[in-house]
Amino acid sequence: QKEVEQNSGPLSVPEGAIASLNCTYSDRGSQSFFWYRQYSGKSPELIMFIYSNGDKEDGRFTAQLNKASQYVSLLIRDSQPSDSATYLCAVRVSGGGADGLTFGKGTHLIIQP
Amino acid sequence: KAGVTQTPRYLIKTRGQQVTLSCSPISGHRSVSWYQQTPGQGLQFLFEYFSETQRNKGNFPGRFSGRQFSNSRSEMNVSTLELGDSALYLCASSWGQENTGELFFGEGSRLTVL
Repeated sequence: QKEVEQNSGPLSVPEGAIASLNCTYSDRGSQSFFWYRQYSGKSPELIMFIYSNGDKEDGRFTAQLNKASQYVSLLIRDSQPSDSATYLCAVRVSGGGADGLTFGKGTHLIIQP
Repeated sequence: KAGVTQTPRYLIKTRGQQVTLSCSPISGHRSVSWYQQTPGQGLQFLFEYFSETQRNKGNFPGRFSGRQFSNSRSEMNVSTLELGDSALYLCASSWGQENTGELFFGEGSRLTVL
């Protein structure tokens, strides 16, 4: 059973600070890792993906992957109130696997003005 | 360009009925995936279609089925509805390459089963 675990939160972060979101996964065969953001009442939207160990930066967002420890994280620098949302971690096994994307249940992030 | 379009957006059914949901992917996208989202279970993968063929399938009962047409539009069907099928059903499209989770989601079809 492939599992993706996230702290459900809410995670409260002051505006301008760094928000750190973490995710662990159980399947060592997982090859691709994704972060989706979902605003309340809206559908998920992809914000970052990472395939290799290390860091990947895109604007205020940094995704970090450590396959040995089976965790992936998302850092949001200079957090803004508009970053308040639920962040979903998702993983995919290479070769398509049998299950498509496996999502965590999400971390609810609140940026306090 | 237009995003992923799902219809209907909201629907109410009673137990035992069946329902068909429709999804039009982004132009040029050849892969369509379906997910069920509930507060308790989160997002769960139903199935994925590529070039009219089911490429992957999640752990849902046979009451859940789908298909894809030659224009990449997709439908999913749920037969013999149960109360637990109440959920937001999300369709997502992608270009279709192997090993991608770069999905573009539609706004979803919210199904309520009474």
